[in-house]
Amino acid sequence: EADIYQTPRYLVIGTGKKITLECSQTMGHDKMYWYQQDPGMELHLIHYSYGVNSTEKGDLSSESTVSRIRTEHFPLTLESARPSHTSQYLCASSDPSRGETQYFGPGTRLLVL
Amino acid sequence: AQSVTQPDIHITVSEGASLELRCNYSYGATPYLFWYVQSPGQGLQLLLKYFSGDTLVQGIKGFEAEFKRSQSSFNLRKPSVHWSDAAEYFCAVAPFGNEKLTFGTGTRLTIIP
Repeated sequence: EADIYQTPRYLVIGTGKKITLECSQTMGHDKMYWYQQDPGMELHLIHYSYGVNSTEKGDLSSESTVSRIRTEHFPLTLESARPSHTSQYLCASSDPSRGETQYFGPGTRLLVL
Repeated sequence: AQSVTQPDIHITVSEGASLELRCNYSYGATPYLFWYVQSPGQGLQLLLKYFSGDTLVQGIKGFEAEFKRSQSSFNLRKPSVHWSDAAEYFCAVAPFGNEKLTFGTGTRLTIIP
C-alpha cells in the first residue's frame, strides 16, 4: 500500500482566508486525486493529476485549485475560504502495478466559520 | 455514465452474526470493483478489489465479496462480525482500464453486543 500523508488533519478557519491542504506520497505514484466528502455522503472527485505539471478538474465542480510540481506532492488551495467549503478532503494516489488501485490518505476536515 | 447503488444506508448487526452489504452498479461492461472501509474521522482503507477471474474475492479483515455479472452486483460478506468492524463501507467502480472511481453513497454498519 502507498503511504499518503495529509496535513493538517483538522482546520478551523475564518471566511476569506487562503488555505492550502497538503498531500504527499512516498511511493512515486504518478497519478494522484483529490476527493471531497460531505458528512455521511459519498466521495466526489474534484481534481486529479497524471503526473508532474498535469492537473485536471474532476466530476464535481470546485473553487479550489491544485498544482503538481513534484511527483510526491499534490497540494490543494482555496484562495478565499467560505462556509460552503466546509467538508472533508481526501487525497489518494494510484498504484500502476495493481491496476491503478487507489490508496487514500487520512483526510483533512475543514470547517470554515 | 456509470453509477453505484448501495441500497442500505444503515445496517445494525449483533457481534458474531454474519453480514452482507449490497452493491449494484450500472455500466455497459464489467468494470473494476472495489470495497473500501472508513472508520470515523479516517481516510478510506481498501478491503478488496475485483478485476477479473475468480468471482469470489478475498480481502483483509476476513471480508469477501462475490461478483455476479447477471445481477450487476458485488456484495460484501463476512461470516462473523467483530465490534471493530463498525464503520462506513463504500463500494466503488472504475471502467476497465480507467482509474477514475465512482463511489456509492455508503452503508453505515453498527455492531451491537
